[in-house]
This record gives sequence, C-alpha cells and structure tokens, in this order.
Amino acid sequence: NAGVTQTPKFQVLKTGQSMTLQCAQDMNHEYMSWYRQDPGMGLRLIHYSVGAGITDQGEVPNGYNVSRSTTEDFPLRLLSAAPSQTSVYFCASSKGLLTGELFFGEGSRLTVL
Amino acid sequence: GQQVMQIPQYQHVQEGEDFTTYCNSSTTLSNIQWYKQRPGGHPVFLIQLVKSGEVKKQKRLTFQFGEAKKNSSLHITATQTTDVGTYFCAGPGFGNEKLTFGTGTRLTIIP
Repeated sequence: NAGVTQTPKFQVLKTGQSMTLQCAQDMNHEYMSWYRQDPGMGLRLIHYSVGAGITDQGEVPNGYNVSRSTTEDFPLRLLSAAPSQTSVYFCASSKGLLTGELFFGEGSRLTVL
Repeated sequence: GQQVMQIPQYQHVQEGEDFTTYCNSSTTLSNIQWYKQRPGGHPVFLIQLVKSGEVKKQKRLTFQFGEAKKNSSLHITATQTTDVGTYFCAGPGFGNEKLTFGTGTRLTIIP
C-alpha cells in the first residue's frame, strides 16, 4: 500500500501565484487533514475533513482552501501565495480522529519568494 | 482555543542517559497520542493512551497519561543514537474533531 501520497515534494512560488498541493490516501480513511510545520511552532492544523463532502477549518485556515469530493483525495489550494506561507506541509489521514493513529505523507516543502 | 505545550523545547543528552518530555493541555483530553519525527522526515505514530492514569511501555520508552487527562509524559531509558528526533504529543479535546499537536521536544544525542 502507498499510504498517504503528497505531491509535489518541493515547490517554489512567486508572491501572488496560486497552486494546489495534492494528497491521496489508499486506506479508505474517513478523516483527512492538512498541517503546516514551521520552526519552533510544531504542527498547526490548517483544514480537516471527516468524510467526503465535509470540510472544516483548523487553527490557521486563512489563505487556504480545501475540498473533499472523494474519500481518497484532499487537495490544499493556495489562492494567492504569500511569503508567510513558506513552510513544510503535511497531509495526514486516520480511520477516525478518536480511534487514533494519524498516517502522514512525506511532506511538501513550499517556498514563496 | 485548545493549547498543548511541551517542555523542554530542546534536550541534549549523552548517549546512555535518560530523557523525559512533558506535555500539558489547557483542556481535558479524550486521548493522548505521541509521535516521533526524525530529522527531515514526517511524524510517525508511537502510541495512544486513553485511560486516566494509564502507563504503557514500548521497550525503553514509557508513556504516562495523567489522572486528570490533561498531561502526559514520555520517558526514554538509556538513550541511543536512534532516538534522535522531535517528539510530539497530540490530543483532541472532548467533542472536538481537531487534533492539536504540542510544540515538540527536539532530542539530540551526544555520542
């Protein structure tokens, strides 16, 4: 099994450009989420979804959009990139939040110039 | 909103010494999870604790969940170079679907 697959692994953007970080999981997990990781700040939740068609905001949602049209895919869209969005982004999935174990993708390192 | 803090932020130990990281939540947690992230890697699940006062062991690692379900600790006995990385605790509050991660403790080992 591939688990959680994120693409791209690296991306450089100019301020104002838009892009989509892709996330797919093949474990039939209902719960999916996006985190960003910045030095000294741990992992901060951007958006999450408890199932297809359902999304909700996390701790730092501004500047990001998500959709969940299928159980497998949970893309993260940056509408107009800003330098403050330079970060490492992790997608994660779980059978259900209270049943434990988030499976993480390998991460996407984004630099906004 | 819910906040989860960990101390210390950094810990440097000689190989063979013990290591402990502490996790404190501003709200009661339904469960606490621990993750390890190697340098340049992604977080990997270690364990989940659910019951008040629960203690679980994994070889040299001992995990505890506080009686009030607001704090937790991870203790590593006789550290090895393979223990290098950042250790995170994480927990959802009751009725909360958001899993909040602690700030992490970065462990480095001096050979």
